[in-house]
Amino acid sequence: DIQMTQSPSSLSASVGDRVTITCRASHSISSDLNWYQQKPGKAPKLLIFTASRLVSGVPSRFSGSGSGTDFTLTISSLQPEDFATYYCQQSHGTFGGGTKVDIK
Amino acid sequence: EEQLVESGGGLVKPGGSLRLSCAASGFTFTNAWMSWVRQAPGKGLEWVGRIKRQADGGTTEYAAPVKGRFTVSRDDSKNMLYLQMNSLNTEETAVYYCTDGRASWGQGTLVTVSS
Repeated sequence: DIQMTQSPSSLSASVGDRVTITCRASHSISSDLNWYQQKPGKAPKLLIFTASRLVSGVPSRFSGSGSGTDFTLTISSLQPEDFATYYCQQSHGTFGGGTKVDIK
Repeated sequence: EEQLVESGGGLVKPGGSLRLSCAASGFTFTNAWMSWVRQAPGKGLEWVGRIKRQADGGTTEYAAPVKGRFTVSRDDSKNMLYLQMNSLNTEETAVYYCTDGRASWGQGTLVTVSS
């Protein structure tokens, strides 16, 4: 099974900060990577698929990059509604452990 | 509008079985690879298993903790996805979601394994 390692597991940031979350796969997964945002009590929301493709309607401050084993989710200017937990996932496969983004 | 609705959750004793269902609408279900994902209380997302579309062979794959005990199946004539869960243990108490592996997720159904 492919393992997905996400870091950090949590971070504290302020509105307007640039935030970067990384995800590493134990084997190459090409660009088969999704990024999700989840808020308490809600189903996950897809932000980015195929490593770098932004879902329609998702703000452009979210971006994804990477291929093979190393991937990054960047939020260019953190907004109040972005405080949530973020997960990477190999498409139809393993999730990373999650990164909780909270208010500094 | 794409919609997924899970059902079948509830209370089951350790060692027991349960079958979850997921009704799909608003998209071409026969073209979709479908997955089950679970989330234990206060924990992260855990992929459980997936089934390919029939055109890709309809094969299944499972996470190691559930292999041999859980079975994912589909009925394309009814736009339905299923998860048969056997030999459940208390650590498998979770909300179970069905998803197309992209933007479509159900609301989840709670499975509680307890004596």
